[in-house]
Formats: sequence, C-alpha cells, structure tokens
Amino acid sequence: KQEVTQIPAALSVPEGENLVLNCSFTDSAIYNLQWFRQDPGKGLTSLLLIQSSQREQTSGRLNASLDKSSGRSTLYIAASQPGDSATYLCAVNTGFQKLVFGTGTRLLVSP
Amino acid sequence: SAVISQKPSRDICQRGTSLTIQCQVDSQVTMMFWYRQQPGQSLTLIATANQGSEATYESGFVIDKFPISRPNLTFSTLTVSNMSPEDSSIYLCSGEQGTTGELFFGEGSRLTVL
Repeated sequence: KQEVTQIPAALSVPEGENLVLNCSFTDSAIYNLQWFRQDPGKGLTSLLLIQSSQREQTSGRLNASLDKSSGRSTLYIAASQPGDSATYLCAVNTGFQKLVFGTGTRLLVSP
Repeated sequence: SAVISQKPSRDICQRGTSLTIQCQVDSQVTMMFWYRQQPGQSLTLIATANQGSEATYESGFVIDKFPISRPNLTFSTLTVSNMSPEDSSIYLCSGEQGTTGELFFGEGSRLTVL
C-alpha cells in the first residue's frame, strides 16, 4: 500500500528565505507526482505536475524534483513571500489517476 | 485548466439526514473523483465517478453511504447518507482534463453534522 509522508509538518520562515519541502513515498511504481497548495478552508490549487519520466519541473519561483527510485520529491520555493503561506500537499498517482496524498506541510512566511 | 464549482460550499446538517453535493466543471473532463478531508487530515479518495455507470469505490467506502452519479462529462453528485458527526469533513470533487494526468480540484464542500 502506497504511503506518502511530508517533512516538516510545519515550517515558519521570515520573508525572503529560500526553502525546501520534502515528500517521500514507499512504492516507486508511480505514474506522476503532483504538488498542491491549500489555503485555509479552501480547495486545492495545482502547482506542479512531474511525470514519472521527468526529474524536475519549474514554475516561477517554484521548482519540484523527483527521484522515483529513492521515493522522494522536493518542492523548492525561492525568495518566499507572505502570500506563500499555506499548506502544501504532495500526491502520487498510483494508476488510473488515483492520488495518494501526503500529510502536508503547513508553511508560514512572516513579513 | 478546468474550473470546478461545488455546491453547497458549506452546510450544517442534523444527524440522520442526507445531503447531496453537486460538482460542475466548465469543460469536459475524462475522469472525475470524490475525495474526503477529515478535520486535520489529508485527502482520502472516496470513489471514481464513472459516466453513465456505477461509481468505483475505494476500500472503506460503500455505495449505500456515498451514492454517486455522473450523468455526463461535466457534472457529478455525491450524496452523504444517514449522516453522523463522524461524516463532518470537507468533500472535494476533482477532475482530469486532457491526457497530462494533472488533476484539478473544486473549492470543497464543508459539512458539519450535529
């Protein structure tokens, strides 16, 4: 059974810092991995999708990497801003577009 | 990207009643899913909503408790039946557009059962 873990569970940083969020999964047989952002009381916003054959994806200040063989992904956020404060979720596609979600990292960026 | 709308956005319900959540997508999607997010938890897949046929449920979820309909490629409903306080959660609809495998989510429906 696929299990997804995210470290750290919570992170508090001052504005401007570069930061890394970690995601690990137990079964390397995945089709893709997706990073989401969830604001309090809201739905999920898709940030980045990495196919199993890819090593990384970039969108603006965000960069996500994938090492399928070791079961790891990282989300790098450059020059963090208070507006980046949210919960970040990673999810792995185990087939038929079914996602198994991680536990989430709650990020707070202080001005 | 597809825009997914859900109704209601939130509701407070009495124990033993049922509530139907609607999910509307602004364009056709190949696959639609329903997830549950219990308080303080991450998301768990309830079922895949299949167009014109019975939904496919994940382990721990049954049709009698969570009947799902999907009459076309842009609309689906999830009913939470005979609710108890343990059903208090956010229920989210998601869909896949195209063939990239990227999933998009609605804003969620927050249910509180008293």
